[in-house]
Amino acid sequence: EAGVVQSPRYKIIEKKQPVAFWCNPISGHNTLYWYRQNLGQGPELLIRYENEEAVDDSQLPKDRFSAERLKGVDSTLKIQPAELGDSAVYLCASSLAGNSPLHFGNGTRLTVT
Amino acid sequence: GENVEQHPSTLSVQEGDSAVIKCTYSDSASNYFPWYKQELGKRPQLIIDIRSNVGEKKDQRIAVTLNKTAKHFSLHITETQPEDSAVYFCAASRTTGKLIFGQGTTLQVKP
Repeated sequence: EAGVVQSPRYKIIEKKQPVAFWCNPISGHNTLYWYRQNLGQGPELLIRYENEEAVDDSQLPKDRFSAERLKGVDSTLKIQPAELGDSAVYLCASSLAGNSPLHFGNGTRLTVT
Repeated sequence: GENVEQHPSTLSVQEGDSAVIKCTYSDSASNYFPWYKQELGKRPQLIIDIRSNVGEKKDQRIAVTLNKTAKHFSLHITETQPEDSAVYFCAASRTTGKLIFGQGTTLQVKP
């Protein structure tokens, strides 16, 4: 089966610019996650979707971050405006349901200059 | 809040030796405990997981043990090989599926 697909793989932007990341989960996976991984640390959950509903967005900095999962399939994560501290790898993951094994995409490495 | 502590942060072993990584979780309602391996620049990949109704699980050279009373779980790798070198993350979640990750352990297996 095809894995979780993310794009772009790398993105370099100047601070205050907007940026968007895209994720296509494994077919049939109802649960979709966006994690942020800073260098040398474990992934931290930003938002979790069950189908098209965001069921946990408590860690999402809502003043600058937004996400959507239209039609309950692929998802977009946006940052506007980006700050230097947003430099990290943004990982998308999907699972059949909550508490099922997560399958990660390759991530998008964001560098904000 | 929910927290997962992982130790050690780095671990160096000789090829053929065993490696043990330990994690402690704070949320007593956690019932799912996966371990992920992440090679440099690559995605985290699930290597083994355990649920709270089981005390131990093995898959070839890899095993995980769980002590729910002490809120500890550990990853054991036997007969280590150079290709086992990577960063290993433990994680814990409730039924809701919100995975909380540890800080990671960098394992180096010396030939």
